Amino acid sequence: DIHLTQSPSFLSASVGDRVTITCRASQGITTYLAWYQQKPGKAPKLLIYAASTLESGVPSRFSGSGSGTEFTLTISSLQPEDFATYFCQQLKSYPQVTFAQGTKVEMK
Amino acid sequence: QVHLVESGGGVVQPGGSLRLSCEASGFSITDYAMSWVRQAPGKGLEWVAFVRDDGGDKYYADSLKGRLTVSRDTSKNTLYLQMNSLRAEDTAVYHCVKAKGSRHYYAYYFDTWGQGALVTVSS
Repeated sequence: DIHLTQSPSFLSASVGDRVTITCRASQGITTYLAWYQQKPGKAPKLLIYAASTLESGVPSRFSGSGSGTEFTLTISSLQPEDFATYFCQQLKSYPQVTFAQGTKVEMK
Repeated sequence: QVHLVESGGGVVQPGGSLRLSCEASGFSITDYAMSWVRQAPGKGLEWVAFVRDDGGDKYYADSLKGRLTVSRDTSKNTLYLQMNSLRAEDTAVYHCVKAKGSRHYYAYYFDTWGQGALVTVSS
């Protein structure tokens, strides 16, 4: 099984901050990785797929990078609507795709 | 507008069964792969079941295999998840999700999610 570890689990930040979340895979997954955003009581939303491709309609302040075992999601300037929980997902082992435990971004 | 609406959740006793429904609108489930993803209270996301656009391939999470059956009614553009021998650890919100495509990795990038159906397994 491919295991994903996100860090940090919790992050306190202010509006305007640059925020970086890391996702590490237990083995190489090339670029078969996605990032999702989930707000309380809402369904997750796809932000990034194929490690760095921005989903249609997602603001350009979101970006993804990485390959192999280490990936990052960056929010260049945190906005009030970005306070949420973020999950990465690996697809290398499809159909048994897995998600990481998530990073909650809270207001400082 | 692409939309997914789940129904059929509720409280069920351990060992019981439940069938969830997912009505899709704005697209045809015969054009995209579909999955079910669950989220236990306060926990992360767990993929549980998949069906390809042509209905030919169906896959299940190893931890749940044998207890789940995914099916669909294309005339109603509706997806179903039959869950049997339910356990307390199956308590979760079950989301119906649409993939970006139907083949290879695009079948597993989930670009549309329903709000979910809450399943509570408790005596």
